[in-house]
Amino acid sequence: GEDVEQSLFLSVREGDSSVINCTYTDSSSTYLYWYKQEPGAGLQLLTYIFSNMDMKQDQRLTVLLNKKDKHLSLRIADTQTGDSAIYFCAESSDTGRRALTFGSGTRLQVQP
Amino acid sequence: DGGITQSPKYLFRKEGQNVTLSCEQNLNHDAMYWYRQDPGQGLRLIYYSQIVNDFQKGDIAEGYSVSREKKESFPLTVTSAQKNPTAFYLCASRGTAGANVLTFGAGSRLTVL
Repeated sequence: GEDVEQSLFLSVREGDSSVINCTYTDSSSTYLYWYKQEPGAGLQLLTYIFSNMDMKQDQRLTVLLNKKDKHLSLRIADTQTGDSAIYFCAESSDTGRRALTFGSGTRLQVQP
Repeated sequence: DGGITQSPKYLFRKEGQNVTLSCEQNLNHDAMYWYRQDPGQGLRLIYYSQIVNDFQKGDIAEGYSVSREKKESFPLTVTSAQKNPTAFYLCASRGTAGANVLTFGAGSRLTVL
């Protein structure tokens, strides 16, 4: 079945850039996503990328996709303490149940 | 404001009891999903429904049941058959705008005493 892998933890200093990485196994993935979860809350969509794109930029967020290596990354520029949260990578395809398959999440800690 | 409302936020249950978690959406979305989240793990799909009066098992459906009698509502029952029910439960819905984007509720935390 599909599998999505992420590293569990990342610590950065305020003002630095953060890069969170993700790998996936499903060749038929159509969309790839980044969600953010704050403590005790639901998931908030940050951005998503269509599988035929290489890059997407949205303000401080840059998503890079290497489809050949099935590698997705999220770069957060000028990281702030409010960015501290868990970040989930996910993928879905446009057939079947169209549910998202999630990684285990990366906890980002931003040090002042 | 449109969104998804889950209730209760916190729930305590004794072993052997069934409990029902509520999920209501006013986004006019056809598809709804239930996920379970355990510490240090990603979200795992329990059940989903793509249309009213129809639902399908996800990856970890054993010990759970759902119904979809109305478009707005997708309640989840955690039965006594679920061996390890303590978890954070998230409901989501998907519209037809494309990209399979899921909108999530705030979650319900179930603790079995």
